[in-house]
Amino acid sequence: DAGITQSPRHKVTETGTPVTLRCHQTENHRYMYWYRQDPGHGLRLIHYSYGVKDTDKGEVSDGYSVSRSKTEDFLLTLESATSSQTSVYFCAISDRTGTLYGYTFGSGTRLTVV
Amino acid sequence: SQKIEQNSEALNIQEGKTATLTCNYTNYSPAYLQWYRQDPGRGPVFLLLIRENEKEKRKERLKVTFDTTLKQSLFHITASQPADSATYLCALDMGQAGTALIFGKGTTLSVSS
Repeated sequence: DAGITQSPRHKVTETGTPVTLRCHQTENHRYMYWYRQDPGHGLRLIHYSYGVKDTDKGEVSDGYSVSRSKTEDFLLTLESATSSQTSVYFCAISDRTGTLYGYTFGSGTRLTVV
Repeated sequence: SQKIEQNSEALNIQEGKTATLTCNYTNYSPAYLQWYRQDPGRGPVFLLLIRENEKEKRKERLKVTFDTTLKQSLFHITASQPADSATYLCALDMGQAGTALIFGKGTTLSVSS
């Protein structure tokens, strides 16, 4: 999607290994979000950021950490991957809270933990 | 408890008909309600936003209503086409700093020709 890129697009990893997903934006938006999407659960918020080095937890943050050292990059790390973290992960950006223009989502990372 | 529900997981209609999708919520007070479209293997795409003080919003063949008393939003696609087949997500926006969108599970619309 224009202005936001997620990498990798697909990843298979083993249980117990650390994994880092990257979200990169070129829009200079202040807010960035990580969601996971699972059948029967929809999109659930993992972590979000409201500025460089400013992050907060979402609904399903256990087992995940994030970092934002630059405006354009928001990293999601699975400290020690588990099978329950097999999911599709989406990054999203917005220019402000209560934006009238919605969120812009990346294309997603499909992560499989075996 | 807080909930956001979309009326059904799947909706099948014929081309040319109006599709109506429902989003209900409990124990939330959103400032805005947003609707997104998601195609298989892709991220959600923003369609429309309606504010709590607006009754209705239109964009081409799309119409959204928002009833804060009923705690419900209706999303209509008129003159539906097979290309409208996708999953549609509603999302609540509290409009406050420190909050993020809360999504429903989505309704998958299939339009047959």
